[in-house]
Amino acid sequence: AQTVTQSQPEMSVQEAETVTLSCTYDTSENNYYLFWYKQPPSRQMILVIRQEAYKQQNATENRFSVNFQKAAKSFSLKISDSQLGDTAMYFCAFTPDNYGQNFVFGPGTRLSVLP
Amino acid sequence: DVKVTQSSRYLVKRTGEKVFLECVQDMDHENMFWYRQDPGLGLRLIYFSYDVKMKEKGDIPEGYSVSREKKERFSLILESASTNQTSMYLCASALVGYQGGELFFGEGSRLTVL
Repeated sequence: AQTVTQSQPEMSVQEAETVTLSCTYDTSENNYYLFWYKQPPSRQMILVIRQEAYKQQNATENRFSVNFQKAAKSFSLKISDSQLGDTAMYFCAFTPDNYGQNFVFGPGTRLSVLP
Repeated sequence: DVKVTQSSRYLVKRTGEKVFLECVQDMDHENMFWYRQDPGLGLRLIYFSYDVKMKEKGDIPEGYSVSREKKERFSLILESASTNQTSMYLCASALVGYQGGELFFGEGSRLTVL
């Protein structure tokens, strides 16, 4: 069975600083997709960043970047220049294919950005 | 922009009541999902549907049923609500065959069963 682990239930960071959220996963698949989703307080969950396993280059989206280590099955999210609006629950997720059906989520990390 | 709309943001029901949670998406997605979100457990799949009238059980289907009579609408039904079903319920949709299919979520329905 595929599993996703996020070992940090809660984190905090000062505004304008950098923070890294950890995620590890377990799968026997060779190609798959990894995601970070953000759920702000009382608002809907949105996609932050996506990584395809066969691509060696780490994905980036503005202040958000990932460190994808396929051999170690690690997929961490780095947030640079943290802003108050980054305060949210962050979920790491995995899907083994592109059929849009089989998603596995981690337990989440609650990130607080402090002024 | 894809929009996934859940009918109720907050509901309070009594034990034994029948509860309907409705979800509508406007992007013609084949796949729709109901997740339950609890602190420390992340999102757990209750049911998903890949076509009209088609459904598959997820990880925690007990005590729930679903209905998909139209492509855009996916309903979650609690036949007889119990206190352990107090939770946040998230609806999502995704496009079949989209490379690394992204899930689009509704705002969630927070259900309290007394």
